[in-house]
Amino acid sequence: GAGVSQSPSNKVTEKGKDVELRCDPISGHTALYWYRQSLGQGLEFLIYFQGNSAPDKSGLPSDRFSAERTGGSVSTLTIQRTQQEDSAVYLCASSRGTARADTQYFGPGTRLTVL
Amino acid sequence: DQQVKQNSPSLSVQEGRISILNCDYTNSMFDYFLWYKKYPAEGPTFLISISSIKDKNEDGRFTVFLNKSAKHLSLHIVPSQPGDSAVYFCAAGLGGSQGNLIFGKGTKLSVKP
Repeated sequence: GAGVSQSPSNKVTEKGKDVELRCDPISGHTALYWYRQSLGQGLEFLIYFQGNSAPDKSGLPSDRFSAERTGGSVSTLTIQRTQQEDSAVYLCASSRGTARADTQYFGPGTRLTVL
Repeated sequence: DQQVKQNSPSLSVQEGRISILNCDYTNSMFDYFLWYKKYPAEGPTFLISISSIKDKNEDGRFTVFLNKSAKHLSLHIVPSQPGDSAVYFCAAGLGGSQGNLIFGKGTKLSVKP
């Protein structure tokens, strides 16, 4: 079956521009997560959505970062006024729920390069 | 300050031998732990997990050991195979929820034929 997909796979942008990254979760998964992995670092939690509840935004590094999840399915991560330190691989994951037994399935990521 | 630490950035082992990947954590409130494997250009895939009420969990060639007093866990792969070559991430969670997992920086395992 279809896994988590992300687009674009690569994005190069200039400092100061806005970017949008898209995530299509596995059908029926109610939970969706965004992470980023900077060079030489682990996965850094950004935000997660669970059903119709308010998202947990505790990991967003600044107010330039925002995310939406429309219709409980597709999600878009938006970075405004990009900075060079935003360069990273942005990973999306989804799971059936947020219980311990609900495995997170990751997409292949979007590699963002800010020049 | 890192709450989950993987102090070895890389590990090389011979095919057929044991691979031991280590992970240390600082927050005693973490109540479950996970290992993920990541191949280049792919997202991480879940490997195995352990609850803080246990000290061992086994799944085929993969065993995770948890030492709560030392705040240390390890992943054992026996026997190691070339296909196990990947980056392995340790993660910790709170409150029985998948939300807001804390990941380590990863250890790159190379299994040589």
